[in-house]
Amino acid sequence: AQSVTQLGSHVSVSEGALVLLRCNYSSSVPPYLFWYVQYPNQGLQLLLKYTSAATLVKGINGFEAEFKKSETSFHLTKPSAHMSDAAEYFCAVLSGSARQLTFGSGTQLTVLP
Amino acid sequence: DVKVTQSSRYLVKRTGEKVFLECVQDMDHENMFWYRQDPGLGLRLIYFSYDVKMKEKGDIPEGYSVSREKKERFSLILESASTNQTSMYLCASSSMGDAREPQHFGDGTRLSIL
Repeated sequence: AQSVTQLGSHVSVSEGALVLLRCNYSSSVPPYLFWYVQYPNQGLQLLLKYTSAATLVKGINGFEAEFKKSETSFHLTKPSAHMSDAAEYFCAVLSGSARQLTFGSGTQLTVLP
Repeated sequence: DVKVTQSSRYLVKRTGEKVFLECVQDMDHENMFWYRQDPGLGLRLIYFSYDVKMKEKGDIPEGYSVSREKKERFSLILESASTNQTSMYLCASSSMGDAREPQHFGDGTRLSIL
């Protein structure tokens, strides 16, 4: 069964600093991977997805993620944090015939002024 | 844009009540999902459906059931609500046709069982 591990349940960065949120997956087949963001009292919004076309994936709001098969990782980065980036971020891997998602436990990002 | 609508943002019920959470999507998606979200646990799949009148158990189905009588609507039912079912519930939908298409989520229902 596929699984996702997000290292660090809470990450704090200063405004303007690099954002790095870590995600490692285990999958017996080439995975489809997703990053979602959840702002307070809202549902999940897709940030970006990896579907085997390119290893560096660009998403919305300046975020990007790099798929590294050798490290089974799909870390999310943003060069310069903005206050509006404060949210919870979830990494997920697609599995199953009905396209179920298996989620990591989430990382709460705090951006300090 | 895909719209997934959950009928209630906040709901308060009492122990032992039968509770219905409703979800409607407007994109003719085949797949629909119910998750619960708890701090530190991420999202856990309760049930999903890939067609009308079809349902499959997810990772934590105990205490829940679902109904999908129409393609656009997927209901989650708490047969006899208990306090440990206090949580945020999220509905999602996706297309069966292309695995690269993401799931689209509603805004969630925050359910409190007293």
